[in-house]
Amino acid sequence: NAGVTQTPKFRVLKTGQSMTLLCAQDMNHEYMYWYRQDPGMGLRLIHYSVGEGTTAKGEVPDGYNVSRLKKQNFLLGLESAAPSQTSVYFCASSYLGRWSSYNSPLHFGNGTRLTVT
Amino acid sequence: KQEVTQIPAALSVPEGENLVLNCSFTDSAIYNLQWFRQDPGKGLTSLLLIQSSQREQTSGRLNASLDKSSGRSTLYIAASQPGDSATYLCAVMQRTSGSRLTFGEGTQLTVNP
Repeated sequence: NAGVTQTPKFRVLKTGQSMTLLCAQDMNHEYMYWYRQDPGMGLRLIHYSVGEGTTAKGEVPDGYNVSRLKKQNFLLGLESAAPSQTSVYFCASSYLGRWSSYNSPLHFGNGTRLTVT
Repeated sequence: KQEVTQIPAALSVPEGENLVLNCSFTDSAIYNLQWFRQDPGKGLTSLLLIQSSQREQTSGRLNASLDKSSGRSTLYIAASQPGDSATYLCAVMQRTSGSRLTFGEGTQLTVNP
């Protein structure tokens, strides 16, 4: 099992360019998340999805869009990159039991380091 | 809004020492609390998950406790080793739609040989 795989690992963009970050998980998890990690700010939730075809805004959604067309994939798009979006982006997934308090820990990918100049 | 605080921000100890990392949170309506480890340039690795109905969880040399009423958790590391050097983050999963995790900023641990 690969777990959670993020592509690409590194990317440099110029201001105004667009790109898509891909996250794939092979654990059949319902929930998927996109976080960004910045020094002094910790990890902040951008968008998340509770199942195929659903998305919702997190704490810092502006400037980003997401799609979950397949259960195993969660895409994060930057339509017009800005220097403020320079960060390390992490995807994560988890299973959440519907009728009980049981839930699985979050599984994280290794991150995408994005620099916007 | 849930806020998670970790103290201390950094900790340096000699090898073999037992140590405690602290985490506090403001909203006790949580599904669970999770402790993660992050090595430089890497993603987060889950260490322990404590469900809201539990008081503690153990894995090897690690023991995590949860006091939901006071909004506190501790991560106890026994007989620390240089390989334990990493940043340790705690996060709480809230009982809201999507069950979002809110993270603390972490404690950077250095274990000196």
